[in-house]
Amino acid sequence: IQLTQSPSSLSASVGDRVTITCRASQGISSYLAWYQQKPGKAPKLLIYGAIILQSGVPSRFSGSGSGTDFTLTISSLQPEDFATYYCQQVYSYPLTFGGGTKVEI
Amino acid sequence: EVQLVESGGALVQPGGSLRLSCAASGFTFRSYWMTWVRQAPGKGLEWVANIKPDASEEYYVDSVKGRFSISRDNAKYSLYLQMNSLRAEDTAVYYCARYYDAGGPDDAFDIWGQGTMVTVSS
Repeated sequence: IQLTQSPSSLSASVGDRVTITCRASQGISSYLAWYQQKPGKAPKLLIYGAIILQSGVPSRFSGSGSGTDFTLTISSLQPEDFATYYCQQVYSYPLTFGGGTKVEI
Repeated sequence: EVQLVESGGALVQPGGSLRLSCAASGFTFRSYWMTWVRQAPGKGLEWVANIKPDASEEYYVDSVKGRFSISRDNAKYSLYLQMNSLRAEDTAVYYCARYYDAGGPDDAFDIWGQGTMVTVSS
């Protein structure tokens, strides 16, 4: 299953609402997770089950979608949110990630 | 504190072998699926392999099948990745992660190690 993220990069300002999309090549129900990765660091789980916020993740992050189209939204971008974001499907093997979306200032 | 610590990364020649280790602490290791994910320099994330809690099932990405082997020692709270016939394209940071597998859409890699670098070059 291929995951296509868009855009591959975006420029935004603190306080902006940011939306990242992830499209699956076939239906994956809600078997989708989102991760945040900062340079030189390990990825961090943000959202699983397409819409469930991982414990400790700020509520400005939200996920939506099911089937083939999914969205990660940051309601008000904060300085610590500048990072690369990846979607991942856990519907079937091989597990796959999207190509990533780099959020820049 | 829940923690995963990888080790074993190194510079190795093409065709060589390497064994990565991941030490787990702070959770009941034997209850969880575990996974390896890699990231080539400047590239995205690639899932490599998964192993069931009792080691009765393993899954691999096609590009490493027959060359890599995932294993675990639940008594030692340790995960391993044996890598043989290494190629330049295996050069990457290798992360171990805990795979929360409830058999449903809530599955995800919820805990990650800091990664260990493997460089395949002559």
